[in-house]
Parts: sequence; C-alpha cells; structure tokens
Amino acid sequence: SQQGEEDPQALSIQEGENATMNCSYKTSINNLQWYRQNSGRGLVHLILIRSNEREKHSGRLRVTLDTSKKSSSLLITASRAADTASYFCATALNTGFQKLVFGTGTRLLVSP
Amino acid sequence: NAGVTQTPKFQVLKTGQSMTLQCAQDMNHEYMSWYRQDPGMGLRLIHYSVGAGITDQGEVPNGYNVSRSTTEDFPLRLLSAAPSQTSVYFCASSSNIRQGGTDTQYFGPGTRLTVL
Repeated sequence: SQQGEEDPQALSIQEGENATMNCSYKTSINNLQWYRQNSGRGLVHLILIRSNEREKHSGRLRVTLDTSKKSSSLLITASRAADTASYFCATALNTGFQKLVFGTGTRLLVSP
Repeated sequence: NAGVTQTPKFQVLKTGQSMTLQCAQDMNHEYMSWYRQDPGMGLRLIHYSVGAGITDQGEVPNGYNVSRSTTEDFPLRLLSAAPSQTSVYFCASSSNIRQGGTDTQYFGPGTRLTVL
C-alpha cells in the first residue's frame, strides 16, 4: 500500500503564481524527499528534509515537515512554465535499508 | 559521469517471453533499486540491493528476479512476462546505506515495457 499520498492530484496555475503541494504519510520516517518528473523522463531529486527538521529551502522551493501530523508540503514560489511536471514525495522509513516509498504524485501545469 | 543508464528504452514482449532489463551506474554507489511506475500509482519498489552479492525484495517482487554481481550493474529479469507487467521501469542508485535512512536517489531514464 502507498505510504505517501499527495494532494491535490492535479494543479493548474499561471506563471508567477505560487504552487503548494501536500504529502501525507502513515508511519514513522527517517526523512522525506521530493522529486520532480518531467513527462517521459526519470525522476530528479529536489530536496530532502530529515525527521528532526521542520523547514528547508532550496532556491524557489520551500519544504515543511510536521511529524506530529505526518505531513509535508512543497511550495514553489514564482512558478515558471518549466516547472510543469509531476511532483512526488517519498518517505524513507525507519525500518530496513534504503527503502523509499513514493506517493502517487501531483501533476502541476504552469501556463504562460 | 553517465550516471544511471538503462537499456532498452522501449520493449514489446509476448506473454510468456523472458527478458532482462539492464541497469548500470558509474558513481560507485552501493545501493541500487528497481521501481515500476503505473498510472495513478506512483512508483513501487520491486527489488533492491545494498551491495554486490546482496539483494532483497521490495513491495512487488513477484515475477521478477535480480542479482548483483558487481557494484556497477543491477539487471532485472522477467521470467515469464505477463500483461500485468506492462509498465515503466526505473532503476535508481544511492551512495547512502546507513540503516534506516537514505539520501538522494539518482534515477535512470526508464524502460517502457509492453507485454501483449
């Protein structure tokens, strides 16, 4: 069963607007990661936030983590058409080696 | 560095045929894994390896075999292809093998497999 569930499933915005995607998960984690996937391509790592961190920034990306609510959010500020992609959260579980469990993804469309 | 490479990019099989999806990485990563991606289901872990000679099952291992004879290569074998194995397959690698955690995974471009 999926560990992570992203919300919304699809998001359509205009260039310059902010995009917020949410991820909820079920079990205790070591860290949570966000990946981007352009159509027909592999996944690209965006940012990692560890369970003892609450917020992290990377360029126009801001990620928050609330372990009490088992949720994370990804904010993309001042979006561009090139940000059009699917975004996945992935949780690294506290049991076992190197198992990343992916959510179902949010499809983001940024229109010029 | 080429990163993570996968071959072939596309493949069509008939039910019952076998084949091997190739994956190689040139980053000297200890950890490698295989995922399948189906519409609306995200990525699901098939098998993974924490080093040469060590493999383990993921979430959906049935119908697939793996081996890890070298650090660089991690092939995925479909023993007897079924239409349910129609999917996009991604290989990934990572350098972090600390228990209970993982860092950035680097993904290959994927293999799109259709089983008729």
